[in-house]
Amino acid sequence: QKEVEQNSGPLSVPEGAIASLNCTYSDRGSQSFFWYRQYSGKSPELIMSIYSNGDKEDGRFTAQLNKASQYVSLLIRDSQPSDSATYLCAVKGSGATNKLIFGTGTLLAVQP
Amino acid sequence: DTAVSQTPKYLVTQMGNDKSIKCEQNLGHDTMYWYKQDSKKFLKIMFSYNNKELIINETVPNRFSPKSPDKAHLNLHINSLELGDSAVYFCASSQGATMSYTFGSGTRLTVV
Repeated sequence: QKEVEQNSGPLSVPEGAIASLNCTYSDRGSQSFFWYRQYSGKSPELIMSIYSNGDKEDGRFTAQLNKASQYVSLLIRDSQPSDSATYLCAVKGSGATNKLIFGTGTLLAVQP
Repeated sequence: DTAVSQTPKYLVTQMGNDKSIKCEQNLGHDTMYWYKQDSKKFLKIMFSYNNKELIINETVPNRFSPKSPDKAHLNLHINSLELGDSAVYFCASSQGATMSYTFGSGTRLTVV
């Protein structure tokens, strides 16, 4: 089992729709969770972090965390073509180091 | 003002050569990382240094040797390059428990 799993996609949504990206993780002791966006040929950039169960909203983005189910999701409301990118879920392991473990990413394509 | 800068951006070299990638951060972060991103976009940690001390050393061939002369710099030297070393190498930094990584722009290494 991979440590952090994501559906590779592509996930195709029409402009203005809600895009829902999902991630599961195997380390039950994980405490910190992150979503990064990576445009083709560019470096990953942080868009959301979440540490507690529930929802966290930032503009059009909402991160959801359910530690009991070991599940993290990212909702993007009013999707725009500029949101088209690979979204990487990252989880900090329960070890002493600050190691972030990444999923393989979900490619999101927003159709105009 | 680039926060995490890597050089070179592109590196094309022949098998068997030795090459280095340099990374510098001006964020005052205490921890720096090297990640390798393969053709399927999977980001895998290689090394991490905290205040010049090696704290993460994943299963990486010993042809790869990191060096951190001070906490703002982390370089990666690769000996006897192989075709399978072709990838994008990202440097990143973070500060303490916030765990928010800032990535450099990446170095695309192509071994021919």
